[in-house]
Amino acid sequence: TQLLEQSPQFLSIQEGENLTVYCNSSSVFSSLQWYRQEPGEGPVLLVTVVTGGEVKKLKRLTFQFGDARKDSSLHITAAQPGDTGLYLCAGVLARLTFGEGTQLTVNP
Amino acid sequence: EAGVVQSPRYKIIEKKQPVAFWCNPISGHNTLYWYLQNLGQGPELLIRYENEEAVDDSQLPKDRFSAERLKGVDSTLKIQPAELGDSAVYLCASSATSGANVLTFGAGSRLTVL
Repeated sequence: TQLLEQSPQFLSIQEGENLTVYCNSSSVFSSLQWYRQEPGEGPVLLVTVVTGGEVKKLKRLTFQFGDARKDSSLHITAAQPGDTGLYLCAGVLARLTFGEGTQLTVNP
Repeated sequence: EAGVVQSPRYKIIEKKQPVAFWCNPISGHNTLYWYLQNLGQGPELLIRYENEEAVDDSQLPKDRFSAERLKGVDSTLKIQPAELGDSAVYLCASSATSGANVLTFGAGSRLTVL
């Protein structure tokens, strides 16, 4: 059983569309992180959310931490081909635990 | 500033052969991690070092996997003997302290076992 469930697993959209990726768990996390990983590279940290209900924005990306600190979402506005990659959420408990990822493809 | 450096980037071996991966973390980072990542999945922690001490190795399959971090800087992850199921990307990451949980990953070493 995966501690962190991400959905959808795969997402293919056209440039300019909006999308939301979800990260859910039954566990309460002290903080939650989002990473993006491109082919042949390691994951790169995008954001860390700490407080329940917290919203952080990074250009066209909006990250939200659930009030109960069990879930999070990533919303991308007007997606671009450069947003293509594997998006990973990771929750902090005794150790940093990753979800299985959402593979996003943005077609020009 | 150089990032986390890993080598080799790619390795192809036959089953039952040994293989070793090397990692050079960011200068000054005391915490070093080895993760395993299967295709299309998230990374899974194998071992975490605080300086030269392995403080979390509960996920490391110790019958065939070993790791060391001599002098608290570079680290080596070894598999002997390799099995078909070991084919994956082995990622190294480092952070200034484990409490911060701000990890910088290397590009990974892709292992193919034939």
